[in-house]
Amino acid sequence: NAGVTQTPKFQVLKTGQSMTLQCAQDMNHNSMYWYRQDPGMGLRLIYYSASEGTTDKGEVPNGYNVSRLNKREFSLRLESAAPSQTSVYFCASSEILGEQYFGPGTRLTVT
Amino acid sequence: KNEVEQSPQNLTAQEGEFITINCSYSVGISALHWLQQHPGGGIVSLFMLSSGKKKHGRLIATINIQEKHSSLHITASHPRDSAVYICAVPDMEYGNKLVFGAGTILRVKS
Repeated sequence: NAGVTQTPKFQVLKTGQSMTLQCAQDMNHNSMYWYRQDPGMGLRLIYYSASEGTTDKGEVPNGYNVSRLNKREFSLRLESAAPSQTSVYFCASSEILGEQYFGPGTRLTVT
Repeated sequence: KNEVEQSPQNLTAQEGEFITINCSYSVGISALHWLQQHPGGGIVSLFMLSSGKKKHGRLIATINIQEKHSSLHITASHPRDSAVYICAVPDMEYGNKLVFGAGTILRVKS
């Protein structure tokens, strides 16, 4: 069991470039989440997917889009990256009202 | 929205000391989560508890539902316990969403 995997681990973008962060889980969880973590801010929810085929905005969705491709995969897209999106991004999954399992994170720098 | 407060924000301890980290929340919940994040590392779920106490090795988590308060204790602390400890509770609107505390930065010196 790999748990929750994320790619890439590190990424540097120039302002205005686009990219997609990939996340996959092999625990057959229904719910998946994307968070960002900034120094002094704690974890903030960007988007979540309660089940395959549904997505909803979290606390900080502006500048991001998501796709729940199937039960396993949940991707996060930055259409036009901005320096304010420099952060560490974590994907997580859980069963209904269960513990959340986190991926290793993606460190993104936007210059 | 459920508000979560953790204390202390920073904690430095000597190896072997007993450590307590506190978490308070504003609205009644079904369960509370404790998470651990090592420097530069990923996030690991330590406990999910809805009542009483849970123990895993040297870590003990307790919760008082009436007081809306939880504590995480580390017995016989070790430098490898140095990490950020994060408390989280379900969002009022959608229980699968978590509201996170700001975290407690723990450093254990040898």
